[in-house]
Amino acid sequence: GESVGLHLPTLSVQEGDNSIINCAYSNSASDYFIWYKQESGKGPQFIIDIRSNMDKRQGQRVTVLLNKTVKHLSLQIAATQPGDSAVYFCAENIPPGNTGKLIFGQGTTLQVKP
Amino acid sequence: EPEVTQTPSHQVTQMGQEVILRCVPISNHLYFYWYRQILGQKVEFLVSFYNNEISEKSEIFDDQFSVERPDGSNFTLKIRSTKLEDSAMYFCASSRTSRTRSEQYFGPGTRLTVT
Repeated sequence: GESVGLHLPTLSVQEGDNSIINCAYSNSASDYFIWYKQESGKGPQFIIDIRSNMDKRQGQRVTVLLNKTVKHLSLQIAATQPGDSAVYFCAENIPPGNTGKLIFGQGTTLQVKP
Repeated sequence: EPEVTQTPSHQVTQMGQEVILRCVPISNHLYFYWYRQILGQKVEFLVSFYNNEISEKSEIFDDQFSVERPDGSNFTLKIRSTKLEDSAMYFCASSRTSRTRSEQYFGPGTRLTVT
């Protein structure tokens, strides 16, 4: 069925360390994936996206990795900062995808310890 | 930087009452969406809207829900007869296109509390 899930509900890291947030998706037809960050009391904020024809994409301090073989998506945050503390959601778009519908995972809370 | 705005930020209503949640999408965007998030849970798709009609809706979006773009700037979600289980954060989003790599910008949300 259609579902996107996250392995860990909470991740606690030390400031300056790298963070890795994981996501498993079940629909092998999904062709577009997005990571969103949600701070308390705010709406989801786009971080980075990746198409299914890629396995890695880098942004500023963030990298998304896609492993289609095991249907796994990860978000790597380099040199994690206190401002990175938030809930992180992966989301997928399933073809044909022309309505823009996004399916979100459960979310991982990232806690950054100073 | 352009942003999606939503009003009110918090709406309290009694069960059975009608509510209208309002959104002003980013001005040059053509696709509009409503999502909801029950406290502590994931964000769930409700409906997408383009060219003055619904392009897709989820199972949640039953006959009690409707959307409208009454003018060139507002996008509304109406719940005709609210139920307790409608209590959630409702997010409006917009994008320039619906194709992949078209980022959806989310508003800050309206917290709906049904008592």
